[in-house]
Amino acid sequence: NAGVTQTPKFQVLKTGQSMTLQCAQDMNHNSMYWYRQDPGMGLRLIYYSASEGTTDKGEVPNGYNVSRLNKREFSLRLESAAPSQTSVYFCASSEGEASQETQYFGPGTRLLVL
Amino acid sequence: AQKITQTQPGMFVQEKEAVTLDCTYDTSDPSYGLFWYKQPSSGEMIFLIYQGSYDQQNATEGRYSLNFQKARKSANLVISASQLGDSAMYFCAMREDNYGQNFVFGPGTRLSVLP
Repeated sequence: NAGVTQTPKFQVLKTGQSMTLQCAQDMNHNSMYWYRQDPGMGLRLIYYSASEGTTDKGEVPNGYNVSRLNKREFSLRLESAAPSQTSVYFCASSEGEASQETQYFGPGTRLLVL
Repeated sequence: AQKITQTQPGMFVQEKEAVTLDCTYDTSDPSYGLFWYKQPSSGEMIFLIYQGSYDQQNATEGRYSLNFQKARKSANLVISASQLGDSAMYFCAMREDNYGQNFVFGPGTRLSVLP
C-alpha cells in the first residue's frame, strides 16, 4: 500500500517550458488535491477534484491546469513555467470532502524554474 | 483575514519534556475539523491528529494530544516526552464543512528538540 505517490521528485525548468506533475493514490479515495508550499506560507490549494470527472480551482490556480485521469490519478500541468512557480508541490487525497476527512499527502515535488 | 494563526515561528524544548504548539482559528461554520501535520526535514507531510468541532473530548494519539478550547477557537498541540525525532515543522490546518474542498493551513511552527 504505497498511499500517495508523486513523480518526479525534483525538476529544473527554464522559463517558458512546460511539464506535468503526476500523482496517484491507491487508497480508493474520491477526492484529490494539488498544493504548493512556499517558505513561510504553509500550503496553498491550487486545484482539487472532489470526485472522478470533476475539477475546481483553489486559492492559487493561475498558470496551472489539472486532469483527473481516473479515480487513482490526478495530474498538474504547467503550460509555460515562470520563476514564480518555483515551489514544492504536494498532491493529497481524502475519502471525501466532509470536514472530518483527513487528507493524506504524497512526498512532494521540488520544482525550480530558472 | 487569516483563518489559521500559529504565533510561534520557532520553539525549543528539552528532550523528554512536554511542549505546546499554539493554533488559533477563525470560522463561522459550526461544523469543522482541525488537523495537525508534521513536516520533518525530509519534506513529507505526516498526519498526526484530528479534532472535530462537535467532539466532546480532546483528541489523543500516543504522545500527541490536542487541547481544544472551542469558545476561544484554539486547538493547541501538546507533545509529551519530546524526542529528538520530533524536531520538525508543525502545521495546524482546518477544514470546514461548507468549504470542504479547502484545507486551510497555518504558517507553521518549527520545533527543535535539544539533547
